[in-house]
Amino acid sequence: DAGVTQSPTHLIKTRGQQVTLRCSPKSGHDTVSWYQQALGQGPQFIFQYYEEEERQRGNFPDRFSGHQFPNYSSELNVNALLLGDSALYLCASSLAGQSYEQYFGPGTRLTVT
Amino acid sequence: RKEVEQDPGPFNVPEGATVAFNCTYSNSASQSFFWYRQDCRKEPKLLMSVYSSGNEDGRFTAQLNRASQYISLLIRDSKLSDSATYLCVVRTDRGSTLGRLYFGRGTQLTVWP
Repeated sequence: DAGVTQSPTHLIKTRGQQVTLRCSPKSGHDTVSWYQQALGQGPQFIFQYYEEEERQRGNFPDRFSGHQFPNYSSELNVNALLLGDSALYLCASSLAGQSYEQYFGPGTRLTVT
Repeated sequence: RKEVEQDPGPFNVPEGATVAFNCTYSNSASQSFFWYRQDCRKEPKLLMSVYSSGNEDGRFTAQLNRASQYISLLIRDSKLSDSATYLCVVRTDRGSTLGRLYFGRGTQLTVWP
């Protein structure tokens, strides 16, 4: 039973560039949530996708956008990267109606220089 | 005010010690409560759910006080392998049945021999 997978594991970008991160949910899960975790902080909710639509969004600018595909996998896109976007980006999957527990992927560590 | 407030520590304790972590949450409508564990540079993993009646899992005991909006985690007989960051997590449904998790910033624990 495959868990949540994310790619790439590490990424280095320069300011102003754009980045796409990918997530495949745990088998049987249909809901994907994305989190940003800065160093020394807890994960902060970016947004959540279900049935290929953004269902909830945290306090993040429009530079952060996403997508969910028919196979439930998801992408997180960040445009016009800032130094402050450097963080660990975590994807979590769950099953709608049972989303009290979310399973996290290993994360993508993004460094913006 | 943050949704979840947590003392970041760090807590440095010897093996065998008992250590307690606390956190408070601001939304009285929150439905579910958890403690997650996060090892250095890894993803968060569910340690245990927290119930008003209190629940125990081996050396770990979690407690919820809804009236005070207070959550606790007690670790008895600390082991070196307990060294990690412990994240207090609250699930709140804001008009969506999909739920959303709010994380505290985490409390760092180091157990020394």
